[in-house]
Order: sequence, then structure tokens, then C-alpha cells
Amino acid sequence: TQLLEQSPQFLSIQEGENLTVYCNSSSVFSSLQWYRQEPGEGPVLLVTVVTGGEVKKLKRLTFQFGDARKDSSLHITAAQPGDTGLYLCAGGMEYGNKLVFGAGTILRVKS
Amino acid sequence: DADVTQTPRNRITKTGKRIMLECSQTKGHDRMYWYRQDPGLGLRLIYYSFDVKDINKGEISDGYSVSRQAQAKFSLSLESAIPNQTALYFCATSEGGGGFTDTQYFGPGTRLTVL
Repeated sequence: TQLLEQSPQFLSIQEGENLTVYCNSSSVFSSLQWYRQEPGEGPVLLVTVVTGGEVKKLKRLTFQFGDARKDSSLHITAAQPGDTGLYLCAGGMEYGNKLVFGAGTILRVKS
Repeated sequence: DADVTQTPRNRITKTGKRIMLECSQTKGHDRMYWYRQDPGLGLRLIYYSFDVKDINKGEISDGYSVSRQAQAKFSLSLESAIPNQTALYFCATSEGGGGFTDTQYFGPGTRLTVL
């Protein structure tokens, strides 16, 4: 059982559409990170959120940390083919020195 | 040049063989990590090291060992490889001091196949 559940597992959309990816848990996290991974490469950090209710924007990407710090979402506006990749959320445990990763969402944006 | 490098990038081996995966970093970070990635399971922590004298087990350390030879080098060994260790392995580093708001910097990965 994954401590962090990501949904959907796979998403295939047309260029220009909007989408939201969810990351949910029953546990509280001290921080929540989102990474993007492209084939043949390691994950690259997109954003870190640390405060309940926090919203951060990165160009067309909007990240939100839930008020109770148990969940997060990633919203992409007007998706582009360059957004294609595996999106991973990772929670910083309140007790213990590690990040817990979700299984990831594979996003494919078709032109 | 890449900040975090892993060798080899691909390896095919047989059951029972000893395998070493190597990681080097030029970021000057104290913290280093080994993860494995399996489809549908995400990244799982194998071992981590917060400095040269510090080694800690992660959630799936059985069947693996590590060595922190220097601040810049952290190697992962499979003493006797088995097929269910077939996976993509990643090394990562972080600066430390920021708890788990630290950014982790990942290497390009090693694809290991155990026949």
C-alpha cells in the first residue's frame, strides 16, 4: 500500500487542454514536493510547498498543499507536448528523515 | 558536466552475481541516497547517508549494502543478485540543513536487469 496515492496513474490529452493531478494520503507531511521525470533521466524538482493551504505557481503549473497537509494537487493550464513526462509527488515525513514518493502520474500531451 | 553521475548506466547480470553501482557528485553535498524505481511503485529508499561516517537503512535495504567512500562517492552493492532486484536505480544528493524541504538532485539512473 502506497503512503501517497497519486491519481490518475496515466493521462493522455490534447495540446491546449487543462489537467489536474492529485496526491493524497492519510498521513500528515511537513512538506510536499513535486518532481518531473523524463525518459532516461532522473526526477527534477518542480516545487516544494510547506504550509497548509499554500499555493505556488510556476508559469502554467499551479501547485496546492491541502489545509491539513495530507494532500496536494498539480494543475496544468493549456498543456503542451513539452509537459509530457512522469510527475511524482513526494512527502517529507514529520518524523524520520526521508521523503516518501507516490507511484507517479504519466502524462502524455499530444500535438 | 552532470552534477550527479552514475555508472554503469545499464547492466545485465545473472542470478547470484555480485554487482556494484557507483555514484559520484560534484555538488559538495553531505547527504546522499539510493532509490529503486519500479513501475507502479514509485521511488523507494534503499539506503541513505548524511555524511561520510553515517549510513542508514531505508525501507527496502534487504539484499543491498552501501559504502560511502568519500563525501562525493556513494556505492550500492548487491551481494548476490536475484531477479526481483531488476529495476531502475537512482542516486540522489541533497545539501541538508533544511529538513525535508531540501531539494534532492538525482543522477540519470542505472537500469539493472537480473536474469
